[in-house]
Amino acid sequence: DAKTTQPPSMDCAEGRAANLPCNHSTISGNEYVYWYRQIHSQGPQYIIHGLKNNETNEMASLIITEDRKSSTLILPHATLRDTAVYYCIVRVGTSGSRLTFGEGTQLTVNP
Amino acid sequence: DAGVIQSPRHEVTEMGQEVTLRCKPISGHNSLFWYRQTMMRGLELLIYFNNNVPIDDSGMPEDRFSAKMPNASFSTLKIQPSEPRDSAVYFCASSLNRGGNQPQHFGDGTRLSIL
Repeated sequence: DAKTTQPPSMDCAEGRAANLPCNHSTISGNEYVYWYRQIHSQGPQYIIHGLKNNETNEMASLIITEDRKSSTLILPHATLRDTAVYYCIVRVGTSGSRLTFGEGTQLTVNP
Repeated sequence: DAGVIQSPRHEVTEMGQEVTLRCKPISGHNSLFWYRQTMMRGLELLIYFNNNVPIDDSGMPEDRFSAKMPNASFSTLKIQPSEPRDSAVYFCASSLNRGGNQPQHFGDGTRLSIL
């Protein structure tokens, strides 16, 4: 699986959009970009994933650059409960392929 | 909808004792994963089942660890004998395997402390 690079920490004001970047310059054509988050003492929570096109669901939006070498996770209106470690993972889209978690980004939403 | 259910949530036991962790995957999911999380090594995959059959156990640390999936709704991870270095949070995850590209959904984990 391709390696990802994320900033170790970010801050965001409550109610504002949180934009979390991820670099994956060695991504292959059959690899998807997944985002998970982990709130302290809980299991990782799936947020969103995509291959080429931008994706949106009830939690977030995922913007993938045209060359697919980087992506941004957008939380449109961050709340205090969004404070967590966010993991960007590149994963081959085949059955059972493992999720390789890196260091992630510690997002702190401030009141 | 019920998510992945793990038990116990916390386990404290003495070195040398047998430890059994349990997992109930999301109904209808046919892939199940066991992960371990420590400060030093982060989250690492231990073993993966598909349709109750172990597919990849390359992450199982050693023979003291074993995992079973007797049916589609239940899996166990056993450590015998346990050692202090096994202390970690153990997560179970499940997904629907229908050609890949399905997200894994995690339980809240079992926090294991071996004294």
